[in-house]
Amino acid sequence: EAQVTQNPRYLITVTGKKLTVTCSQNMNHEYMSWYRQDPGLGLRQIYYSMNVEVTDKGDVPEGYKVSRKEKRNFPLILESPSPNQTSLYFCASSSGARPLHFGNGTRLTVT
Amino acid sequence: KQEVTQIPAALSVPEGENLVLNCSFTDSAIYNLQWFRQDPGKGLTSLLLIQSSQREQTSGRLNASLDKSSGRSTLYIAASQPGDSATYLCAVRPGDDKIIFGKGTRLHILP
Repeated sequence: EAQVTQNPRYLITVTGKKLTVTCSQNMNHEYMSWYRQDPGLGLRQIYYSMNVEVTDKGDVPEGYKVSRKEKRNFPLILESPSPNQTSLYFCASSSGARPLHFGNGTRLTVT
Repeated sequence: KQEVTQIPAALSVPEGENLVLNCSFTDSAIYNLQWFRQDPGKGLTSLLLIQSSQREQTSGRLNASLDKSSGRSTLYIAASQPGDSATYLCAVRPGDDKIIFGKGTRLHILP
């Protein structure tokens, strides 16, 4: 089944403790992207990747890192999480002009 | 800078009615536009994708139109059902990189 898989689905952590949210797709998509969704602010793009080893900042990249060493994986790294990064995170992928496919989301709480 | 607006933010209609959801964008130079559905606490499901060169797309009871010159897209839902209750999001892709989302219209179909 074609899908985008994010892990974990839920994560509670403390300020400053490094964490990684994984994202993997099995559709051989070139494009992958991370978003955060907050009430009243909608979905905002954090980082995106056009292909392996090619990443670029979205609208809200501060406090986040990404890497794209393999085509299928695009992990989101929070080196020193803060409470303002508490949010619902989504990973998505697509190929060319085709539809964007989303993962089921990761709900992160930073205390 | 491209901005995407969805009005109204929330809408309640009786079951069986036809309805139209609106999406407007500020820059007509777009790659494509995609409509999504999001159920509470869940991921985004792609409904329809309209390429820049297209005027409309149809899937079942859904029809999406695109008018680039006026910066507008509409999602038409025929014969609405309670199962259509969800938040509907439109996303504009200005190029093959960034994707910009509207804040969504929360739709409630009254049985």
